[in-house]
Amino acid sequence: AQSVTQLDSQVPVFEEAPVELRCNYSSSVSVYLFWYVQYPNQGLQLLLKYLSGSTLVKGINGFEAEFNKSQTSFHLRKPSVHISDTAEYFCAVSAIRGGGSNYKLTFGKGTLLTVNP
Amino acid sequence: GAGVSQSPSNKVTEKGKDVELRCDPISGHTALYWYRQRLGQGLEFLIYFQGNSAPDKSGLPSDRFSAERTGESVSTLTIQRTQQEDSAVYLCASRPGRGFTEAFFGQGTRLTVV
Repeated sequence: AQSVTQLDSQVPVFEEAPVELRCNYSSSVSVYLFWYVQYPNQGLQLLLKYLSGSTLVKGINGFEAEFNKSQTSFHLRKPSVHISDTAEYFCAVSAIRGGGSNYKLTFGKGTLLTVNP
Repeated sequence: GAGVSQSPSNKVTEKGKDVELRCDPISGHTALYWYRQRLGQGLEFLIYFQGNSAPDKSGLPSDRFSAERTGESVSTLTIQRTQQEDSAVYLCASRPGRGFTEAFFGQGTRLTVV
């Protein structure tokens, strides 16, 4: 079984400040990791993903995340946020299975990022 | 369009009625997921289809919930005898076949049970 914990349900920050949204996961096997963003009244959009290779991954809109296997974490960061970054952010994990077959994505409960002027 | 399409976008139903939600995945995507998102909550996995394999129904919350998929195309999620706690946004996502890539989400169906 796999699980995802997003430690902060809400993160308020001021515009142009740095931000870190925390994500920890639990799995008995290796995993793929994702961050999705959900803007108000919209569906989910992929922000970035870690499949293999470099543990620092860069995504859209200036976001990046670092995979830390020993800490079982995949925290999301942005050095300077904009008001338009206000949204719900979801961390997700998928166990790596043999044969390359796909499997379900398990999501965290989400972190609401609110950027204030 | 080329994205995942869900219908209806909004549905208001009376308690006890049955509802059917539809998802049209991206053409060629063999994997399809249904999730439920209650107000202020994360995404709750409901069911997963992968090609012709038996679906993973482990997330369906009760026997009032069922889902079908015709081949690798349209999927319908049916909720029988709806209850107020069924009120949520129901999200559908699809993904290509073998070889991992991200899942693409539809806009969701907002279900309100009154």
